[in-house]
Amino acid sequence: GPKVLQIPSHQIIDMGQMVTLNCDPVSNHLYFYWYKQILGQQMEFLVNFYNGKVMEKSKLFKDQFSVERPDGSYFTLKIQPTALEDSAVYFCASSLPGLGAYAEQFFGPGTRLTVL
Amino acid sequence: AQKVTQTQTSISVVEKTTVTMDCVYETRDSSYFLFWYKQTASGEIVFLIRQDSYKKENATVGHYSLNFQKPKSSIGLIITATQIEDSAVYFCAMRNYNQGKLIFGQGTKLSIKP
Repeated sequence: GPKVLQIPSHQIIDMGQMVTLNCDPVSNHLYFYWYKQILGQQMEFLVNFYNGKVMEKSKLFKDQFSVERPDGSYFTLKIQPTALEDSAVYFCASSLPGLGAYAEQFFGPGTRLTVL
Repeated sequence: AQKVTQTQTSISVVEKTTVTMDCVYETRDSSYFLFWYKQTASGEIVFLIRQDSYKKENATVGHYSLNFQKPKSSIGLIITATQIEDSAVYFCAMRNYNQGKLIFGQGTKLSIKP
């Protein structure tokens, strides 16, 4: 099936530093999402993005977080500065246009972020 | 507020039997979608099956089927003829029609024994 890629698979960073997580979505998808999963828990929605804009965001999407997809390249999640509680696996997802029945979200393999 | 609850933390069954996993949800919207995903040991998240709230028929895909009981806000996942490779964590999720965000349940860890 369609594949979402995420780079890197694991990132270790010191608290306070900036980190950028990269997502290569399915080629014809136009909606992009980030989810956060703390070890042993469920995925929690962070943000979704369409046509250069944040469409929805949750309370987890703090002011230190930002997303962009410049010129059809990677869809990125930037955290600046990082905090210890940002340690988690971050999953990117993408879907076809439209929010109706056929907009299945396809997930990437995740980036494990460790903040020391 | 939207919420998805999976009360079964873990289930263990013998291979080739049928297993049912429970999920209840809360939403104020009249149109919504319900999903089941599985997360493998490697962390990969795989979409399994979807139920549209306005459809009365239970969705079926391969050896996965749903038990949709709308008055009870319940969407159970049934796996028939289980295989060892079905061992994974299964997540129930929902999203309202006009929203993109998926709300996930806590997950049920399924172990299939030979």
